[in-house]
Amino acid sequence: NAGVTQTPKFQVLKTGQSMTLQCAQDMNHEYMSWYRQDPGMGLRLIHYSVGAGITDQGEVPNGYNVSRSTTEDFPLRLLSAAPSQTSVYFCASSQDISYEQYFGPGTRLTVT
Amino acid sequence: AQKVTQAQTEISVVEKEDVTLDCVYETRDTTYYLFWYKQPPSGELVFLIRRNSFDEQNEISGRYSWNFQKSTSSFNFTITASQVVDSAVYFCALRRNFGNEKLTFGTGTRLTIIP
Repeated sequence: NAGVTQTPKFQVLKTGQSMTLQCAQDMNHEYMSWYRQDPGMGLRLIHYSVGAGITDQGEVPNGYNVSRSTTEDFPLRLLSAAPSQTSVYFCASSQDISYEQYFGPGTRLTVT
Repeated sequence: AQKVTQAQTEISVVEKEDVTLDCVYETRDTTYYLFWYKQPPSGELVFLIRRNSFDEQNEISGRYSWNFQKSTSSFNFTITASQVVDSAVYFCALRRNFGNEKLTFGTGTRLTIIP
C-alpha cells in the first residue's frame, strides 16, 4: 500500500512550457485534491474531484487543468507555465468528505 | 466563508518544555471538522488528528493533546515535554461537512525545539 504518490519530486520549467504533475493513490479513495503551498500562505486548493469523471475548481484554479478518468489517478496539467506558479504542489486523497486527507510527498516546481 | 487563524507564526522552546499552538477558526456551519497536520523539515504533510464539531471532548495521544472549545472557536494543540523531533510546521485546518470538500488551512506555526 503506497498511499498517495506524486511524480516528479522536482521540476524546473521555462515560462510558457506545459507539463503534467502525476498523482496516484491506491486506497480506493473517491476524493482527491490538488493544493499548492507558498511561503506564509498555508495550502490553497487548486482543483478537486469527488469521483471518477467529476472535477471542480478550488480557490486558485487559473492556469491549471485536471481530469479524473480513473479512481486512482488525478493528474494536474500546467497549460503555460508562469513564474507565479513556482510552488510546492501536493496531491491529497480521502475516503469521504468527513475523513482526513492523506497527502503525497509533494512536487517542488520552479518556473524561470 | 471559512477561515482558520494561527496567530503564532514561529515559536521556539527549549527541549522538555511544554508548548501550546493556537488555532482559531470561523465558520457559519454547525457541522464541520477540524484537523491538525504536521510538516517536518522533510516536507511531507502528516495527519495528526480529526475532530468533528459535535465532539468537544479533549483528546490525548501520548505527549500530544488537543483542546477543542466551540464557545471560543478554538482548537489548540499542546505538546508536553517537547522533543527535537517535534520541530516542524504545524497546520490547523477546517473542513465543511457538505458541498465543496475544501480543506481550509491556517498559515501554519513553525515550532523549533532547541536542544
